[in-house]
Amino acid sequence: NAGVTQTPKFRILKIGQSMTLQCAQDMNHNYMYWYRQDPGMGLKLIYYSVGAGITDKGEVPNGYNVSRSTTEDFPLRLELAAPSQTSVYFCASSLEAGGNNEQFFGPGTRLTVL
Amino acid sequence: QKEVEQDPGPLSVPEGAIVSLNCTYSNSAFQYFMWYRQYSRKGPELLMYTYSSGNKEDGRFTAQVDKSSKYISLFIRDSQPSDSATYLCAMRDLANFNKFYFGSGTKLNVKP
Repeated sequence: NAGVTQTPKFRILKIGQSMTLQCAQDMNHNYMYWYRQDPGMGLKLIYYSVGAGITDKGEVPNGYNVSRSTTEDFPLRLELAAPSQTSVYFCASSLEAGGNNEQFFGPGTRLTVL
Repeated sequence: QKEVEQDPGPLSVPEGAIVSLNCTYSNSAFQYFMWYRQYSRKGPELLMYTYSSGNKEDGRFTAQVDKSSKYISLFIRDSQPSDSATYLCAMRDLANFNKFYFGSGTKLNVKP
């Protein structure tokens, strides 16, 4: 099992450009999440999904969009990149929501918006 | 006020020392408490998980939760250079099962 994979590893965007951060998991997990991690700020939830076709906003959704057409994939879309979106983005997945709900994280995408 | 507060460190200790990492929180509804370890340039990985109050031990790691003080701790015994990483606490309540609140992380350096 590859676990949770993310592409690209690094990206530099200009202000106003758009891009899609890819996330895939091969563990047949229903729940998937997108976080951003800013220095000294911890992880903030952007969006999450409880299954194919179902997504919901997290704590910091503005400027982002997601879709979940399959169980495996959960891409994150930035439409008009802004410097405030410079961050490290982590995708995670979990088997279930209750109890432990261990989240498995991908290696992250480092995004810089100039 | 942040939901979860964590001292960013860095914390530097000699190999073999006992390490104490802590988080405080403000939301009394939090019931599930987790500790994640994050190596440089990697994603977080779950170390320990506890439900409600009490202690939980796993090898060299002990997690403690004191709900009356809204305070959680992670102890690492016989620390090793391989323990050098950033440690993040995380917690959630019963109602919002998909919403995790993370601390900012404490960077630990264990010197050989």
